[in-house]
Amino acid sequence: DVKVTQSSRYLVKRTGEKVFLECVQDMDHENMFWYRQDPGLGLRLIYFSYDVKMKEKGDIPEGYSVSREKKERFSLILESASTNQTSMYLCASSSPGTGSYEQYFGPGTRLTVT
Amino acid sequence: AQRVTQPEKLLSVFKGAPVELKCNYSYSGSPELFWYVQYSRQRLQLLLRHISRESIKGFTADLNKGETSFHLKKPFAQEEDSAMYYCALSPNAGNMLTFGGGTRLMVKP
Repeated sequence: DVKVTQSSRYLVKRTGEKVFLECVQDMDHENMFWYRQDPGLGLRLIYFSYDVKMKEKGDIPEGYSVSREKKERFSLILESASTNQTSMYLCASSSPGTGSYEQYFGPGTRLTVT
Repeated sequence: AQRVTQPEKLLSVFKGAPVELKCNYSYSGSPELFWYVQYSRQRLQLLLRHISRESIKGFTADLNKGETSFHLKKPFAQEEDSAMYYCALSPNAGNMLTFGGGTRLMVKP
């Protein structure tokens, strides 16, 4: 059973703080993704990674960076948190080798920036 | 660039009524289309994909390339179908997904 875990379910940070969101998957998936989920806007891709140390910008990368030092772990970094980054953050993983584009999602981290 | 549109943010039906969640897309190639579902307090998960032509939990979805639509249908809605539904598109041979804005389905008793 694919398992994607995220380090926190709820997080409250102050404006200007550096924030780390961690995601770990245990299925040896090559691809990992970070989305933010906002009402009415659906899921928007922030960054994705198709291999260790590789990353690609998604649709809304501004204000974010990522790190993938190990295959199973993909971190999202908010260098200087702002109130407009208050959102639900979802991590996902997938394996193109299966021939399926199905993405497996973590439970989400609800981040509030005050 | 591809785009997915779900015109209804909220759809409310009575138990036993038919339900159709609309999804329209724009993409110049041949995309893969998916429906993902998020039940209350659960993680987002795949419901079905067009390529497998399957029926999951009584739901079906047909890809209409002429109308660029991928509507999700169920003939008799159940209360447990209440959830948030997202339509998603993957470009041909791509691994990325583009999601629509989502439709909240409420099935009333």
